[in-house]
Amino acid sequence: SAVISQKPSRDICQRGTSLTIQCQVDSQVTMMFWYRQQPGQSLTLIATANQGSEATYESGFVIDKFPISRPNLTFSTLTVSNMSPEDSSIYLCSVQTDTWRTEAFFGQGTRLTVV
Amino acid sequence: GNSVTQMEGPVTLSEEAFLTINCTYTATGYPSLFWYVQYPGEGLQLLLKATKADDKGSNKGFEATYRKETTSFHLEKGSVQVSDSAVYFCALTENAGGTSYGKLTFGQGTILTVHP
Repeated sequence: SAVISQKPSRDICQRGTSLTIQCQVDSQVTMMFWYRQQPGQSLTLIATANQGSEATYESGFVIDKFPISRPNLTFSTLTVSNMSPEDSSIYLCSVQTDTWRTEAFFGQGTRLTVV
Repeated sequence: GNSVTQMEGPVTLSEEAFLTINCTYTATGYPSLFWYVQYPGEGLQLLLKATKADDKGSNKGFEATYRKETTSFHLEKGSVQVSDSAVYFCALTENAGGTSYGKLTFGQGTILTVHP
């Protein structure tokens, strides 16, 4: 498995501002992903964070709203830009340690409230 | 595309009762199947997994069998405890040629509450 640390664990932000969430892993991993969990809902994949290149976004998510960086094999950031109350969610970082391992591991999540 | 359907919740049980949470899936290839658990205020933890047909995943008294013929992966536990109260997610990931894509498709989640 992998130990995944997310920061911040929670935040309350004003609408129109941006928040950057950090995901740090204790070992090098092949794949890193970002998910959103809206209140009372399931998890939806936002994007795959690619090391050294632009992230791959899922349908309905765009880079201008959710810019992602992955400068190395242990670290990634997700920014939620120009926030509105509809962005209030839990954002989770997930990693796959090796491509031959099918399971993914999750950080504790960042609980974001936009007011 | 891929999809996962879980039984409608929430589920409320008394301690020591038998638990079943139904999960069916649609996938184009041969997915790996998972159950994740989310305790209140926490992230997701992998509960169990199965990577091929007829595999049985098990952990902490929970079991689920990969049934390709019925495209199902139902979660069961013979005797639940209050500490099992959580949200349970069924999920799948696609695989190809021994390589996992790592991206998960989740079911809606089932809230389980166990009373003493």
